[in-house]
Amino acid sequence: GQQVMQIPQYQHVQEGEDFTTYCNSSTTLSNIQWYKQRPGGHPVFLIQLVKSGEVKKQKRLTFQFGEAKKNSSLHITATQTTDVGTYFCAGKSGAAGNKLTFGGGTRVLVKP
Amino acid sequence: DTGVSQDPRHKITKRGQNVTFRCDPISEHNRLYWYRQTLGQGPEFLTYFQNEAQLEKSRLLSDRFSAERPKGSFSTLEIQRTEQGDSAMYLCASSRPGLGNTIYFGEGSWLTVV
Repeated sequence: GQQVMQIPQYQHVQEGEDFTTYCNSSTTLSNIQWYKQRPGGHPVFLIQLVKSGEVKKQKRLTFQFGEAKKNSSLHITATQTTDVGTYFCAGKSGAAGNKLTFGGGTRVLVKP
Repeated sequence: DTGVSQDPRHKITKRGQNVTFRCDPISEHNRLYWYRQTLGQGPEFLTYFQNEAQLEKSRLLSDRFSAERPKGSFSTLEIQRTEQGDSAMYLCASSRPGLGNTIYFGEGSWLTVV
């Protein structure tokens, strides 16, 4: 079945620094979504990418969908303590119907 | 509050007991999903409804698990004869019809089986 992998599993970042987290799917995706989950909270939708090579920005967050629609990345610039949490990518492939398959997440800790 | 609502938020039960969780989706959303999340893992798909029809069901959903959405609005997830391995957060989510629509999650129902 479809598998979605995320690296790194943990990211310790100094406040003010940039970092990138990566998402890879075993199958071609129809779209990919990114979610953020704060400690003790639930996943909150951030963004959806649909087109091959698509890039979207939300303030300090830049999301990219790979040309082959099998990978994605999230880049955060000038990390702040409010960025703490786990970032999940979730992909939907045509064969998977309406099921979103989530990656294992990247847990981000920010050192002030 | 027009978000996805789940009840109860926390449940502690003894092994072997049955538990039921309820989910009220966003009112105009006809699609409803159940996911399960254990500590340190991403959410795992359990099942999906479109209106009252259960259209997809994961192999993770053993015979002890049953989900219903009788009137196409709220949904219930029942776990019979709970086991310690069932301890997890059970997340409900909903979305509008159509491809690629955003899935909105509820705050989850935490289950601890002792």
